[in-house]
Amino acid sequence: DADVTQTPRNRITKTGKRIMLECSQTKGHDRMYWYRQDPGLGLRLIYYSFDVKDINKGEISDGYSVSRQAQAKFSLSLESAIPNQTALYFCATSSNSGNTIYFGEGSWLTVV
Amino acid sequence: AQSVTQLDSHVSVSEGTPVLLRCNYSSSYSPSLFWYVQHPNKGLQLLLKYTSAATLVKGINGFEAEFKKSETSFHLTKPSAHMSDAAEYFCVVSDQRAGNNRKLIWGLGTSLAVNP
Repeated sequence: DADVTQTPRNRITKTGKRIMLECSQTKGHDRMYWYRQDPGLGLRLIYYSFDVKDINKGEISDGYSVSRQAQAKFSLSLESAIPNQTALYFCATSSNSGNTIYFGEGSWLTVV
Repeated sequence: AQSVTQLDSHVSVSEGTPVLLRCNYSSSYSPSLFWYVQHPNKGLQLLLKYTSAATLVKGINGFEAEFKKSETSFHLTKPSAHMSDAAEYFCVVSDQRAGNNRKLIWGLGTSLAVNP
């Protein structure tokens, strides 16, 4: 089984709809992250959480929200999806040293 | 401020020939450096990491990288390319200041093509 599991893996949604991407991890790590990947732009950090009570904005948090339901779960929400949020989204986790990050396999989101 | 520059957006090599993917970084503090690989339609996998131990770091699948502080470089190499190495490669930097939240700065990626 994967250490970091993302659902759904693929989703097409309409502009204005609410969509949630879920992430769970079995590494027992405190730190979790959401990134988006766009061609030519690399990975950009949306939100990160260093424990259940700690949520921080990343470099591109506008239009997104997150919820850390438990140590193992970190979900990303788009309250009102727009087409430029079409991207590949990655959830990740790391230990408190932060030296190695483990990624999920990604969630393709298309907003039409 | 930290930054990462991957000097080539695309690299093409023949199978069996050496691979060189170049990465330069900028960091005010002692950095940790990483290379990640992403195969088509797959997630990101850690190839190797440098965290202030030996400057020559060996990773998975025959890859290695050398941390050169004087050149602020962390180039990824492999002596002999295999078809399965075709993928996107990302160089990543994180500084090691005490108390820092270790945010990662990602390069834009280098696409490696391996020709038969």
